[in-house]
Amino acid sequence: GQSLEQPSEVTAVEGAIVQINCTYQTSGFYGLSWYQQHDGGAPTFLSYNGLDGLEETGRFSSFLSRSDSYGYLLLQELQMKDSASYFCAVSEDSNYQLIWGAGTKLIIKP
Amino acid sequence: DTGVSQDPRHKITKRGQNVTFRCDPISEHNRLYWYRQTLGQGPEFLTYFQNEAQLEKSRLLSDRFSAERPKGSFSTLEIQRTEQGDSAMYLCASSSPLTGAVNEFSYNEQFFGPGTRLTVL
Repeated sequence: GQSLEQPSEVTAVEGAIVQINCTYQTSGFYGLSWYQQHDGGAPTFLSYNGLDGLEETGRFSSFLSRSDSYGYLLLQELQMKDSASYFCAVSEDSNYQLIWGAGTKLIIKP
Repeated sequence: DTGVSQDPRHKITKRGQNVTFRCDPISEHNRLYWYRQTLGQGPEFLTYFQNEAQLEKSRLLSDRFSAERPKGSFSTLEIQRTEQGDSAMYLCASSSPLTGAVNEFSYNEQFFGPGTRLTVL
């Protein structure tokens, strides 16, 4: 079957660094994406990894290890506005239809 | 605003009724996706269009669901004989055409609309 596992909730302090892990088991693998969704809002794209390694975009970085079927999203210098749900999603082929995890709710405390 | 739009934003219907949702993607985007999201879960893929062609449909999608994109621009999602289990947020996303060689480096992010929240009573 297909499954993506990520923690349901993570709590961190403003200004800190937090890592959200994602492990996946899918029939095919083309790449791993990360999306952010605020309560009541639409998902917005954060990062994509097609090959192993680290991708950095401002305060956000994402890592992929294809051999371990594992990736993570790293958020630095946390701000209160980063409080949201974060989803990892696998694209199995170049059509990029996404298979999503259940999401990690990030709670940031002042 | 040139983002993805969806209409209506909210729909309340009685079980057994038919409903239709509309999605207007970003104008130059040729790919359009429909997803369904329930509370506390990630979006679930429903179907995907490239231009007017429906290229993929989830095996989980019952025959009560149908989608069209007749001119390769806007799309509609119809649910016939709605059931309470159909209550969810229905999300539409679009992405632009890939250019050059398509490989693991290439990725066009999906831009999501605000969604249509369906409640079936």
